[in-house]
Amino acid sequence: AQRVTQPEKLLSVFKGAPVELKCNYSYSGSPELFWYVQYSRQRLQLLLRHISRESIKGFTADLNKGETSFHLKKPFAQEEDSAMYYCAPLMYNNNDMRFGAGTRLTVKP
Amino acid sequence: GAVVSQHPSRVICKSGTSVKIECRSLDFQATTMFWYRQFPKKSLMLMATSNEGSKATYEQGVEKDKFLINHASLTLSTLTVTSAHPEDSSFYICSARRTGSPPTEAFFGQGTRLTVV
Repeated sequence: AQRVTQPEKLLSVFKGAPVELKCNYSYSGSPELFWYVQYSRQRLQLLLRHISRESIKGFTADLNKGETSFHLKKPFAQEEDSAMYYCAPLMYNNNDMRFGAGTRLTVKP
Repeated sequence: GAVVSQHPSRVICKSGTSVKIECRSLDFQATTMFWYRQFPKKSLMLMATSNEGSKATYEQGVEKDKFLINHASLTLSTLTVTSAHPEDSSFYICSARRTGSPPTEAFFGQGTRLTVV
């Protein structure tokens, strides 16, 4: 069965500290991986996708096919990074997009 | 960026009545729209995937007759909660993906807060 796991429900770091939000997936096939973010009282929005290999707001994510992981990282967290983060694999062939349980990141001053 | 609009953003209805939620892609054509339900402090639960012009694909455990989905055009999908009960109270979110190749990421609506009294 297709499964995406975000093991940490809550993650709290101090401003300026590095942060890593974990995501592991179990899919038959090769999904495309996305990270979505939901700031307080806002709709979900795309943060980044692995295929573009870009850094958005200082965040990067590396797809590790061997470990089937797509962890999100930022070397120096900022208070405005506090939000809910969702990992989402997308299988194009069956048009399936599901989300991990989400990780609530809190960056303390 | 692409815009997806949901209407209404909030609705209160009486138990036993039906409620329709609209999801529109305002500036692009969407072959596929997804409907999610979000419980308080929980993740998004995929309810169904709707493809324009065909029947929706429902996730296991989601009642097709209770949650009617129609995707009659490339810019509009509707979710109708039929004979609503208090346990249907929730936050419903839609998302849409552009038509074309390669498929793009999904863009999200602002969500609809349904309260059944």
